[in-house]
Amino acid sequence: GESVGLHLPTLSVQEGDNSIINCAYSNSASDYFIWYKQESGKGPQFIIDIRSNMDKRQGQRVTVLLNKTVKHLSLQIAATQPGDSAVYFCAELLGGTDKLIFGTGTRLQVFP
Amino acid sequence: ETGVTQSPTHLIKTRGQQVTLRCSSQSGHNTVSWYQQALGQGPQFIFQYYREEENGRGNFPPRFSGLQFPNYSSELNVNALELDDSALYLCASSSTTTPVFTDTQYFGPGTRLTVL
Repeated sequence: GESVGLHLPTLSVQEGDNSIINCAYSNSASDYFIWYKQESGKGPQFIIDIRSNMDKRQGQRVTVLLNKTVKHLSLQIAATQPGDSAVYFCAELLGGTDKLIFGTGTRLQVFP
Repeated sequence: ETGVTQSPTHLIKTRGQQVTLRCSSQSGHNTVSWYQQALGQGPQFIFQYYREEENGRGNFPPRFSGLQFPNYSSELNVNALELDDSALYLCASSSTTTPVFTDTQYFGPGTRLTVL
């Protein structure tokens, strides 16, 4: 299958621990942000999104935090599981456009 | 599963050839976007089609072109292939309620193109 993220930053966590993946976005005019998970051989899978009028949004086991002052986005995964192992990308959508701009990605490795 | 399919899964071409990649969007999604993902990098936006017309383009040369059809399918065509075109090509479908607001993009599994 497709091998994604051969030289990406890697976060290694123990199963059951919480994970925090960080992302710096590039454009202060971006008004929509998405986290995607990409497993080997698959396309990016939507996890959670947040709009610029919010600073926090929660999903099932995941939380996204947005700090517009420093253009920073984070994804928190609670009780990390082996199935969470993948490459995680943040993406921003510039207001008034339909062009998603992806960050470089972080590989999450979960060990028992 | 996202309901977005792509074909073929893998493809090998030689430099200078032309290639057509296909995507079938989720039913009801009027917008399709195409991305190029080089190994170890995030996807890069190629272009987007909304109601069968190009609705935005990234920094890709004109030899990258596309079509969108009324039946929720679309194509990405690349002419005069170069070695650097080797990548995973992803399509993503979404529902756009206005020309400037796009709902979440759902990705297909991609087509792996190798140019020799």
